[in-house]
Parts: sequence; C-alpha cells; structure tokens
Amino acid sequence: EDKVVQSPLSLVVHEGDTVTLNCSYEVTNFRSLLWYKQEKKAPTFLFMLTSSGIEKKSGRLSSILDKKELFSILNITATQTGDSAVYLCALSGGSNYKLTFGKGTLLTVNP
Amino acid sequence: GAVVSQHPSRVICKSGTSVKIECRSLDFQATTMFWYRQFPKQSLMLMATSNEGSKATYEQGVEKDKFLINHASLTLSTLTVTSAHPEDSSFYICSAGTGLLAGLQETQYFGPGTRLLVL
Repeated sequence: EDKVVQSPLSLVVHEGDTVTLNCSYEVTNFRSLLWYKQEKKAPTFLFMLTSSGIEKKSGRLSSILDKKELFSILNITATQTGDSAVYLCALSGGSNYKLTFGKGTLLTVNP
Repeated sequence: GAVVSQHPSRVICKSGTSVKIECRSLDFQATTMFWYRQFPKQSLMLMATSNEGSKATYEQGVEKDKFLINHASLTLSTLTVTSAHPEDSSFYICSAGTGLLAGLQETQYFGPGTRLLVL
C-alpha cells in the first residue's frame, strides 16, 4: 500500500520567515509526486514532480524531489499571511492517476 | 484551463433523504474523475474512482450502494448519497484527471467541494 508522511503536522512562523515542509513516501510504482495548497475549500495545484533533483519554482515557492531517498520538500521564502493554509503532498502511483494524500502540514504565518 | 465545478457548494438535508452532487470539467474532457471525502482537520480520503461509461471502483470500506456514482459523459460525474445519516456529514470533493492534454499538467484538478450537513 502506498504511503505518504508529511512533517511537521503544523508550523507557526512570522511574516518574512522561510519554511521547509517535508514529505516522505513509500510506493510500489512511482508516477509523480504532487503538492497542493488547501485553504478553506478544495486543494489548488502547486507542483508536480517526476524527476529527481530538478527544482520546480513558482514565485516564492519551490519544490524538489529525491527519488533515491524517497522524499520531497516544499520551500516557501519570505512568507506572507496569505501563505497560511494546509499544504498537502500526494503521490500518484498507479496507472489511473489515483492519488494518495498525506495528512498535510498546517502552516500559520503571523504578521 | 482545467476548471472543475461542483454543485451544490453546500447542502443541508434531513436524515433518510438522498442528495446528489454534480462534478463537471468545464474546459476539458475527463475520462477519469475521483470522489473524496474530508472530515474536519483531516486529509482527503479517496472514496471511488469513476471512469466514463463504466462502473466506479470503490475504495475499501466505502459502501457502493450508499454512495452511488454515475459518470455518464466525459465532463460530468455525479455522486448520490442515499439515505443520508448525520455521520455522512462531511466535505465532499471531486477531481478530474487530465491525462495527457496539451497545456495541462497530467494530474488531478479539484472542484471547489460540497459541504453536506445531514440533520
């Protein structure tokens, strides 16, 4: 059974701080690893990672995958209060795009 | 691109009634749609995978006779919660798999969710 473990489960920082969120996984047939941001409604897509060592970047957010050590990190630099959300890591390990989600990291950015 | 809508966004019903939730992919065709349930402060739990024109595949522990899924077209899947009870109150989210479509990531895009409250 595919498994996704995220850490920490929650994190409180001040505006301007840099944060690193972790995601480790176990999978039978790796297809891709995805990061989503969830505020009050459904998750919004951030990144999809398929290859080791290639950083994906979008503004202040970046993510990288290590397929040898089976983990990924999501970095957020110069955090803002609008970054407060639950960040979900998900693993796609099957041929039907089925996703296995971690429990998420609740990030709170205080002004 | 890759917009998924859900309707209704919120529904309150009496115990014993049935509730239908619609999920539509607005600007792409989705051969596969997924239904999730999320309880407060918990992660998304996959309920079932819905393929257009065939029966849905349910995850272990999900009652297929209680949660009826119909995927009649490439842009519409419906989830019907039959004989709803208070314990069915939850946030139900659908997603659509894009597959290999030009200009889109090969991933799932989520609808905005439906909050169900059963009294």
